[in-house]
Amino acid sequence: GAGVSQSPRYKVTKRGQDVTLRCDPISSHATLYWYQQALGQGPEFLTYFNYEAQPDKSGLPSDRFSAERPEGSISTLTIQRTEQRDSAMYRCASSSAGVGNEQFFGPGTRLTVL
Amino acid sequence: LAKTTQPISMDSYEGQEVNITCSHNNIATNDYITWYQQFPSQGPRFIIQGYKTKVTNEVASLFIPADRKSSTLSLPRVSLSDTAVYYCLVGDGGATNKLIFGTGTLLAVQP
Repeated sequence: GAGVSQSPRYKVTKRGQDVTLRCDPISSHATLYWYQQALGQGPEFLTYFNYEAQPDKSGLPSDRFSAERPEGSISTLTIQRTEQRDSAMYRCASSSAGVGNEQFFGPGTRLTVL
Repeated sequence: LAKTTQPISMDSYEGQEVNITCSHNNIATNDYITWYQQFPSQGPRFIIQGYKTKVTNEVASLFIPADRKSSTLSLPRVSLSDTAVYYCLVGDGGATNKLIFGTGTLLAVQP
């Protein structure tokens, strides 16, 4: 696509529910990143993919968080048993092959856990 | 883990040159230094990237000394629309390639 897209843009859920966020990167980009950004803070790295491989997921806050990119294109971030502290903006970015190249960010998904 | 330090905020006036410095003492040999700009309610946007010495593009310059332990983003003749948070980004100094955004500098440009 022309840019990185994310859906939904807003998600309100109740504590304890599972949520899945979707990211559709720029079609030619091999590398995809997930970030969590709290209000007034900088983005915090969660994990990244090179195609379908996930070399580093150490940034995921707990085992309730998981991410997939099964075909090396679209990625999903799933949060199980959501907690209020999970409320944040979740941003996806993509870049050409190799960590460190210019990253193009999507509009983000604002998650609110009640 | 690589750690970056930036001023929390800076003030400027339209038409002035603004220099924002980032410290990154543990930068790895292969790491690049990248600066991003973020407006409220938007994702970060790439400004400039460099490895050493000086890099210039149509919107900014990036100065990196020989030891690469710091970098300075220079914005010439800022305007009100340059009011944003600016982040310095370097690769993790370890083997994981984890990317860490700096603390961010809120630049406020006044008329």
